[in-house]
Amino acid sequence: EAGVAQSPRYKIIEKRQSVAFWCNPISGHATLYWYQQILGQGPKLLIQFQNNGVVDDSQLPKDRFSAERLKGVDSTLKIQPAKLEDSAVYLCASSLPTWEDEQYFGPGTRLTVT
Amino acid sequence: AQSVSQHNHHVILSEAASLELGCNYSYGGTVNLFWYVQYPGQHLQLLLKYFSGDPLVKGIKGFEAEFIKSKFSFNLRKPSVQWSDTAEYFCAIDYSGGGADGLTFGKGTHLIIQP
Repeated sequence: EAGVAQSPRYKIIEKRQSVAFWCNPISGHATLYWYQQILGQGPKLLIQFQNNGVVDDSQLPKDRFSAERLKGVDSTLKIQPAKLEDSAVYLCASSLPTWEDEQYFGPGTRLTVT
Repeated sequence: AQSVSQHNHHVILSEAASLELGCNYSYGGTVNLFWYVQYPGQHLQLLLKYFSGDPLVKGIKGFEAEFIKSKFSFNLRKPSVQWSDTAEYFCAIDYSGGGADGLTFGKGTHLIIQP
């Protein structure tokens, strides 16, 4: 079974630039999550989708971050404009939307903002 | 705010030593509990999970965890560690208790096993 795919794996941008990350979940997984992991901390949930609808975006900084999941499959997370404090690993995870199902994580995108 | 506390940020053990990593959470309602592991250069992967039933949960690679509701704790244990257990360990909580929801993670414990 193919895992969660993410690209790019690494990205370096200057502050105030824009950046986008892509995620392809495991086939058949209706639930998709984006997490932000700052160095030395655990992952923090940014947004959760169920199919192409948003379930929880309470921790997403909506003034600069946006995410979409067209057709309920792939998802894109965008930052515009980036700040130095956005330097982190951005993790995508997916799961079946049923009781007791675990989240499967992708390799992450490491973003460095200079 | 709902939180997860992992008491040890760095742990160094010798092979065959016993391991216990602490995890406490801040909410008294129904929660689902997880331990994830990230081996060097690999993805986060699930070690074990607790939703209901027997509070002593067994996971992969000989790990187990005990849910003690009265102490809001979900400590991870392994009787005899191996060099290959060197990794970052994260405790995570689903505070909604409903399944398939976003997780709140602790800061992680970096475990180093010396041969």
